[in-house]
Amino acid sequence: KAGVTQTPRYLIKTRGQQVTLSCSPISGHRSVSWYQQTPGQGLQFLFEYFSETQRNKGNFPGRFSGRQFSNSRSEMNVSTLELGDSALYLCASSLSTGEETQYFGPGTRLLVL
Amino acid sequence: GENVEQHPSTLSVQEGDSAVIKCTYSDSASNYFPWYKQELGKRPQLIIDIRSNVGEKKDQRIAVTLNKTAKHFSLHITETQPEDSAVYFCASRGGGYNKLIFGAGTRLAVHP
Repeated sequence: KAGVTQTPRYLIKTRGQQVTLSCSPISGHRSVSWYQQTPGQGLQFLFEYFSETQRNKGNFPGRFSGRQFSNSRSEMNVSTLELGDSALYLCASSLSTGEETQYFGPGTRLLVL
Repeated sequence: GENVEQHPSTLSVQEGDSAVIKCTYSDSASNYFPWYKQELGKRPQLIIDIRSNVGEKKDQRIAVTLNKTAKHFSLHITETQPEDSAVYFCASRGGGYNKLIFGAGTRLAVHP
């Protein structure tokens, strides 16, 4: 089976812009979770989507949002970008919500200038 | 709130030695504890996990132990090899969803 894929892999934006990142889960997986990875804060949970519904949300401002489509692909959006949003954004897929094993994608590296 | 503490932050060993990384979690409802290995520029990869109804799990050179009473879990790597060099993250999950709370990571260096 193909693994989790994320696009784009690299992105450069300027402050104030918005960005949309995409994640395609492993075939058959219905849950997609998003994480932000930075040197200072480590790996932090953003949100989880299952059956097109947000199931859980981390402690991030409302500028961070997401959605999931009927084919389980997910997108996350960050509006009004700030310098501190520069990070590696990772998505992880699992068979179902509450299904423990999560498999990570390669990530999208976002640089905000 | 939910928190996972991980120690040490860096670990340097000679090839063939053992390495131990320890984590402590705060949420009593946590029931699943995975360990991920992340090489430079790569995605985190699951190397082993343990569920709350098990005290120990082993997979070749890697083992994980869980002490639910003390809220501790540990990763043990025996006969370390240079390719074990990476950052290792522990995590805990609880509450029925897929939210993982990660430790800060341990940078392991295995010297030939």
